[in-house]
Amino acid sequence: DGGITQSPKYLFRKEGQNVTLSCEQNLNHDAMYWYRQDPGQGLRLIYYSQIVNDFQKGDIAEGYSVSREKKESFPLTVTSAQKNPTAFYLCASTSFGQGLRRNTIYFGEGSWLTVV
Amino acid sequence: AQKVTQAQTEISVVEKEDVTLDCVYETRDTTYYLFWYKQPPSGELVFLIRRNSFDEQNEISGRYSWNFQKSTSSFNFTITASQVVDSAVYFCALRVWETSGSRLTFGEGTQLTVNP
Repeated sequence: DGGITQSPKYLFRKEGQNVTLSCEQNLNHDAMYWYRQDPGQGLRLIYYSQIVNDFQKGDIAEGYSVSREKKESFPLTVTSAQKNPTAFYLCASTSFGQGLRRNTIYFGEGSWLTVV
Repeated sequence: AQKVTQAQTEISVVEKEDVTLDCVYETRDTTYYLFWYKQPPSGELVFLIRRNSFDEQNEISGRYSWNFQKSTSSFNFTITASQVVDSAVYFCALRVWETSGSRLTFGEGTQLTVNP
């Protein structure tokens, strides 16, 4: 089945550690996104990428890094510089062009990150 | 800059009542897309509807209907004869295009609780 796969679903991080959240899509989508959601809050954009080997900072990029070496993959690294990383992280993707399925942004199931 | 406002933080209704979720957006762009997503307790975001800025036709899908009015920059969502399974957080979102690509801006969400 086509879709967006995020892993792991739950992740615990010790303070001072970097962790990487995986996001893979087999929808042949061009653009990919990472959002952060805090309890009871909306979604805030961390990074986004329109094409391979190119990405842009969103509203809260500090303490995060990404790469886009393949069209299908957009991993997010939460670095030790991120002071309050405990949150729910959502990956999304979309394609461009005509038609309902294009230009609609679809989401993965999310990853819960907890700092212990 | 883009902004989406969902003024209703929480709404509680009794089953079979109709309920309307409000969404007001701000953008200087003339071309944009508006979305509604549903987030059940499991966390994933489920796409409900997309509307582009040139299509002000209202839409009905089963018990769901959407009222898009450019004159008031609103894109309201109505659930008719609500059911307990409709309980979730609902997000309105706005997609615009920038020189660096497109991004999706979310409202803060409305927690809908449908009581039996």
